Amino acid sequence: AQTVTQSQPEMSVQEAETVTLSCTYDTSESDYYLFWYKQPPSRQMILVIRQEAYKQQNATENRFSVNFQKAAKSFSLKISDSQLGDAAMYFCAYRSYNNNDMRFGAGTRLTVKP
Amino acid sequence: DSGVTQTPKHLITATGQRVTLRCSPRSGDLSVYWYQQSLDQGLQFLIQYYNGEERAKGNILERFSAQQFPDLHSELNLSSLELGDSALYFCASSVARSSGGGYTFGSGTRLTVV
Repeated sequence: AQTVTQSQPEMSVQEAETVTLSCTYDTSESDYYLFWYKQPPSRQMILVIRQEAYKQQNATENRFSVNFQKAAKSFSLKISDSQLGDAAMYFCAYRSYNNNDMRFGAGTRLTVKP
Repeated sequence: DSGVTQTPKHLITATGQRVTLRCSPRSGDLSVYWYQQSLDQGLQFLIQYYNGEERAKGNILERFSAQQFPDLHSELNLSSLELGDSALYFCASSVARSSGGGYTFGSGTRLTVV
């Protein structure tokens, strides 16, 4: 079964600085999708960014970008110019191409210091 | 508003009782997923329905059951409740049976068992 590991329970960053959240996963599949979700104090789950495994180019969404290393099974999230509103729990998630359920990591709590 | 509606938002009940959580997916979405998030934990996949049929099952207890109705709304039934069932229950939806576009999450139902 696929597993997703987020080795950083907590991270902090100074406002306007850059922070990278780590995620690794275990799979024997070649086709899959990877996601980062943000969960602010409101507890709403918000999709931040997604990556298809067959695409070599790293996904980017404004200040959010990923470093996808397929061979290393690594999928890190970089947040540039961090803002106070970025403070939240961040979950990495995996979904295989043909499977139906999305597997989540345990999450990283990001604190942004003014 | 994500378009996925979950009711009720909060629920407090006693051990041994039975509750029903309701989810209306985003317009046009055929797949509904249920997840459980215990305090400060990641999301655990419970079950998926696609167009009225069960498609995938995760770590769902036998005391829990779900269904999806012809109008595509879904209900998650939790019975013989225990203290450990206290959690945030999320419903999510997606267009296809196996969609790479990520899920749209509802705001969750917070269940407290006392």
